[in-house]
Amino acid sequence: QVKLVQSGAEVEKPGASVKLSCKASGYSFTGYYLHWVRQAPGQGLEWMGWINPYSGGTTYAQKFQGRVTMTSDTSISTAYMELSRLRSDDTAVYYCARDGEQWSPTPGEFDYWGPGTLVTVSS
Amino acid sequence: DIQMTQSPSTLSASVGDRVTIACRASQSLNAWLAWYQQKPGKAPKLLIYKASTLESGVPSRFSGSGSGTEFTLTISSLQPDDFATYYCQQYNNYPLTFGGGTKVDIK
Repeated sequence: QVKLVQSGAEVEKPGASVKLSCKASGYSFTGYYLHWVRQAPGQGLEWMGWINPYSGGTTYAQKFQGRVTMTSDTSISTAYMELSRLRSDDTAVYYCARDGEQWSPTPGEFDYWGPGTLVTVSS
Repeated sequence: DIQMTQSPSTLSASVGDRVTIACRASQSLNAWLAWYQQKPGKAPKLLIYKASTLESGVPSRFSGSGSGTEFTLTISSLQPDDFATYYCQQYNNYPLTFGGGTKVDIK
């Protein structure tokens, strides 16, 4: 079955960087784009961007351009999301989610989600 | 960016009630809209995609309708497991955006 396993909680200081991982199993990792979505405490969902694990191609939300880097390692079916110059308002749960459309170059619905990684930014 | 507005933000209902949640987009989405259910401390779960297609394994009491800028999620007979927060999401344009959520709680 499809499974996305995310790395553990992180506590970082303002100005630092964090790199989260999302390990996929149960399907062809290179066949589906992966999205990253975050949710601040008590707030709604915010899309950050997505990656084509096969080519490494990415599309980022403009809000995060220059601060976010999404990468993938096909040899271990793992995607990564690095966020730099952290601020207190980056405190959130970060989810990876699989795009529901195989081989589609345009985004679709998110059919499988990881459990999320809590990132706390605090001095 | 496309703004997604959900209403109501909170909805109090009883088991067995028919529940309707609205989602309005600031520009046309065609049918590129999904609905998710989220319970506290858990990841969202896909319910509906392409505005009206029921995701595999989702109970048939959930249905979606609409096109263009107006969309609706309906739960035909609310069950105890359905008390949760529901989000709509557009994937017609970048950046992908979500509605603010509708919390369905017990009346």
